[in-house]
Amino acid sequence: DADVTQTPRNRITKTGKRIMLECSQTKGHDRMYWYRQDPGLGLRLIYYSFDVKDINKGEISDGYSVSRQAQAKFSLSLESAIPNQTALYFCATSDKPTGAGGYTFGSGTRLTVV
Amino acid sequence: SQQGEEDPQALSIQEGENATMNCSYKTSINNLQWYRQNSGRGLVHLILIRSNEREKHSGRLRVTLDTSKKSSSLLITASRAADTASYFCALDPGGYQKVTFGIGTKLQVIP
Repeated sequence: DADVTQTPRNRITKTGKRIMLECSQTKGHDRMYWYRQDPGLGLRLIYYSFDVKDINKGEISDGYSVSRQAQAKFSLSLESAIPNQTALYFCATSDKPTGAGGYTFGSGTRLTVV
Repeated sequence: SQQGEEDPQALSIQEGENATMNCSYKTSINNLQWYRQNSGRGLVHLILIRSNEREKHSGRLRVTLDTSKKSSSLLITASRAADTASYFCALDPGGYQKVTFGIGTKLQVIP
């Protein structure tokens, strides 16, 4: 099993729908992150969590919300999806503080909003 | 928060050649990391170099860090077609600050 598992891998949804992307990890890391990747813009941080009771906004949190259900689970919700949220979404984890292993990424969720 | 700037944005070389890509940044860092991303896949951590280190090696990878010039380079020696990917530098200011990723260098290794 992968260290960081994201579901679903691909999703097409309609404008206005609520959608949840899920992430689970077996690394035992405290810190978890959600990023989106768009061509030419690199990775942009949406939300991050340093432990179960900690949730923080990243640089592009508008239109998104998150839930840290357990140390191993961190889900991202789009409350009312819009086409410009079409992107590749990644969940990542890291040690506290960042150890020699850096960040561990999931395989990504390709989301298309039509 | 700052973002590393990778240079070049794209690089095409023949198999067996060396590939060098650079990352520049503006403010102080605790460490700098390099990642690889195969098309549409998750990023894979390659190597982390701390601010008090100047050079690190891992297999065919060599990373240097010059904190006075605020720059780092990633050298891939004897490149292979399988090295074709995008490479990102990530800046870690340390503590509770967030790591930021650059836009990446797209490397193509031609067999």
